[in-house]
Amino acid sequence: DAKTTQPNSMESNEEEPVHLPCNHSTISGTDYIHWYRQLPSQGPEYVIHGLTSNVNNRMASLAIAEDRKSSTLILHRATLRDAAVYYCILRPLSNSGYALNFGKGTSLLVTP
Amino acid sequence: GAVVSQHPSWVICKSGTSVKIECRSLDFQATTMFWYRQFPKQSLMLMATSNEGSKATYEQGVEKDKFLINHASLTLSTLTVTSAHPEDSSFYICSASLVGSSHEQFFGPGTRLTVL
Repeated sequence: DAKTTQPNSMESNEEEPVHLPCNHSTISGTDYIHWYRQLPSQGPEYVIHGLTSNVNNRMASLAIAEDRKSSTLILHRATLRDAAVYYCILRPLSNSGYALNFGKGTSLLVTP
Repeated sequence: GAVVSQHPSWVICKSGTSVKIECRSLDFQATTMFWYRQFPKQSLMLMATSNEGSKATYEQGVEKDKFLINHASLTLSTLTVTSAHPEDSSFYICSASLVGSSHEQFFGPGTRLTVL
């Protein structure tokens, strides 16, 4: 599987935007970029995914570099409930039979 | 969104006993479910892929005779930790994908296993 690199931790103030980077220089043309997050003592939850174009949903935005070798998850206004470990994962375009390969992720701390 | 449940949410057992963990997709069918294990301060590690009606596929280093997986229906997969030992204490998490979907996976809330 293609590997992703994320900072171990980041810190943000409440109600400020947060930009979580992810490097994936060995991404293949058919890899989707997925983001999941895991709140303390819970299972991961889906945040967003994209292939080439930037994506927006109710939780976040995903900005994908033109060469697709990096991406940034954007939380527009961080809340205390956004404190979690955020995982950037590459997943091939395929059927649902592929597990997710979790790296170490970025632990986001949100302070009041 | 689709919901995956796990039961129990936590369990404490004595060394040498067996523990069964259930994973259910509540409002969708899942031909494939995945079992992960997470030790404190570490990331999720895939243990096995569970396919409905067939034998599970285990990751390297995961003992299939110790971690028994049964995927008897499109909505239920079970993981049984046999002869549990303290080193099996961990957070066990299952996930499932919608049939025909190549994107979002839905995770259960996890089961905290403590072996005394």
